[in-house]
Amino acid sequence: EAQVTQNPRYLITVTGKKLTVTCSQNMNHEYMSWYRQDPGLGLRQIYYSMNVEVTDKGDVPEGYKVSRKEKRNFPLILESPSPNQTSLYFCASSLRQPDYGYTFGSGTRLTVV
Amino acid sequence: KQEVTQIPAALSVPEGENLVLNCSFTDSAIYNLQWFRQDPGKGLTSLLLIQSSQREQTSGRLNASLDKSSGRSTLYIAASQPGDSATYLCALSRGAGNMLTFGGGTRLMVKP
Repeated sequence: EAQVTQNPRYLITVTGKKLTVTCSQNMNHEYMSWYRQDPGLGLRQIYYSMNVEVTDKGDVPEGYKVSRKEKRNFPLILESPSPNQTSLYFCASSLRQPDYGYTFGSGTRLTVV
Repeated sequence: KQEVTQIPAALSVPEGENLVLNCSFTDSAIYNLQWFRQDPGKGLTSLLLIQSSQREQTSGRLNASLDKSSGRSTLYIAASQPGDSATYLCALSRGAGNMLTFGGGTRLMVKP
């Protein structure tokens, strides 16, 4: 089944403890992206990648890192999480930008205490 | 900066009703527009994608239209069902390397 898989689905962590949220797609998509969703603020882009080894900042990149070493994987790294990073995170991919639509993962609900 | 507005923010209708959800945007220089559905606490499911050169797309009971000149898109849902209850989001792409810009969503409840 064609899909974007995120792990974990739920995560509670403490301030300052490094964590990684994984994202993997099995559709050979070139473009991958991370979004966070917050009440009243909607969905905002964190980082995106046009292809392997090509990444760039979105709207709200502060406090996050990404890497794209392989086409299928696009992990989101929080080096030192803070409570304001408590959010619902989504990974998305697209075959090729901008011609094709996006496929989203099921989301990762992160709580930083 | 592109601004995307969805009206109404919430809508409650009886089962069987036909309904229209609205999405308006301020910058007509878009590449495509995508409608999504989101169930509470879940991911986004793509419903329809309209390229800027297209006027509408249809899938089952759903029909989405795009009018770039007026900065509007509508999602028409025919014969609504309780299973249609969800939040509906429109999102615009301005082109390669550009992020999707999302509207705030319309929360739809279809009552049996």
